[in-house]
Amino acid sequence: AQKITQTQPGMFVQEKEAVTLDCTYDTSDPSYGLFWYKQPSSGEMIFLIYQGSYDQQNATEGRYSLNFQKARKSANLVISASQLGDSAMYFCAMREGDNRLAFGKGNQVVVIP
Amino acid sequence: NAGVTQTPKFRILKIGQSMTLQCTQDMNHNYMYWYRQDPGMGLKLIYYSVGAGITDKGEVPNGYNVSRSTTEDFPLRLELAAPSQTSVYFCASRRNRETNYEQYFGPGTRLTVT
Repeated sequence: AQKITQTQPGMFVQEKEAVTLDCTYDTSDPSYGLFWYKQPSSGEMIFLIYQGSYDQQNATEGRYSLNFQKARKSANLVISASQLGDSAMYFCAMREGDNRLAFGKGNQVVVIP
Repeated sequence: NAGVTQTPKFRILKIGQSMTLQCTQDMNHNYMYWYRQDPGMGLKLIYYSVGAGITDKGEVPNGYNVSRSTTEDFPLRLELAAPSQTSVYFCASRRNRETNYEQYFGPGTRLTVT
């Protein structure tokens, strides 16, 4: 069964506007974590943000924030004030236990001036 | 620090050939991972290691082997390459007590099997 679901089609967003990328997950483990990674066209994987299942507050890292809704099993990424350099694929991933990451299929974002 | 390095960057193999993808990290990380990324997809875990001498299978281990004789190195061996192994391969590592469990990724190896 798919553990991470990212179903949005490719998104176009105007520069300086905010964009929300959806991610839902499936786990029965009470201890888990959720990540967002960025993959630009150059191919490298860039860590953006992490949310632990026991964290009381939503994670934020600069322009990135994670909207964590535990009961709904969703972990949406919000990018504020989009920049042209934000154009990339964005992957949601989940850690179960200590070691493994399961990735979603990704969301394509294109920022237009 | 160089971080996580992978060699080669690109490789074309013929069906049935073998090769080793190299991965080295200089951050003294205990945990190391191999992933593959097929076109238009997310990453899938092939193998991982929690320390020297210890390895375990991930989601898609068939057709691959690994070893971890040192903390720094985690090579991935492909035996009898098949077209289905055409993919981009990423190596990653993380500390034992990383508070956010962040994995640091190498730049990837693009492999084509024809």
